[in-house]
Amino acid sequence: NAGVTQTPKFQVLKTGQSMTLQCAQDMNHEYMSWYRQDPGMGLRLIHYSVGAGITDQGEVPNGYNVSRSTTEDFPLRLLSAAPSQTSVYFCASKPFGGSGNTIYFGEGSWLTVV
Amino acid sequence: QKEVEQDPGPLSVPEGAIVSLNCTYSNSAFQYFMWYRQYSRKGPELLMYTYSSGNKEDGRFTAQVDKSSKYISLFIRDSQPSDSATYLCAMSLTGANSKLTFGKGITLSVRP
Repeated sequence: NAGVTQTPKFQVLKTGQSMTLQCAQDMNHEYMSWYRQDPGMGLRLIHYSVGAGITDQGEVPNGYNVSRSTTEDFPLRLLSAAPSQTSVYFCASKPFGGSGNTIYFGEGSWLTVV
Repeated sequence: QKEVEQDPGPLSVPEGAIVSLNCTYSNSAFQYFMWYRQYSRKGPELLMYTYSSGNKEDGRFTAQVDKSSKYISLFIRDSQPSDSATYLCAMSLTGANSKLTFGKGITLSVRP
């Protein structure tokens, strides 16, 4: 059971380039989300999805795009990378509902925009 | 005022010490309270989860929630070097609504 898998682990982009961070989960979780983590800022929600075909914005959505065509995958697209998007990105998934509130995080993707 | 405030740290303690980590929050509607542990270059992993007020104990870890004071704590007894990590508090409105609001995190170092 792989859990939540993120690729790539590390990436360097030039300003203005576009790229996609991949996220896949094999737990059949309905809920998936993307966070960014910056020093002194904690984790902030970028976008989330409660199921295939449904996405919504989080706290810091500008400059990012998402889609959810399958239950398993939730890619995050940077449309035109900016140095302010240098960060560590975490994908997370959770079964929708239930008595607990356990979210499983991926290992992270380190992105540097120069 | 941010919704969730966490002591900034870093924190360094000797092995065997009792560690107290704290967060305060402003939104009285928060119902679920979590503590995540994050090792360097890894994703956060759930350490403790509490619904509403009260205490929860798991081995050397105890989580406390005081909703009247909007204050949560994580206690680590007999701290070990393997406890060295960043600890993040998080909270949410409902279980089904999994939009977590995180504190900034505090880095703990336990010296052998």
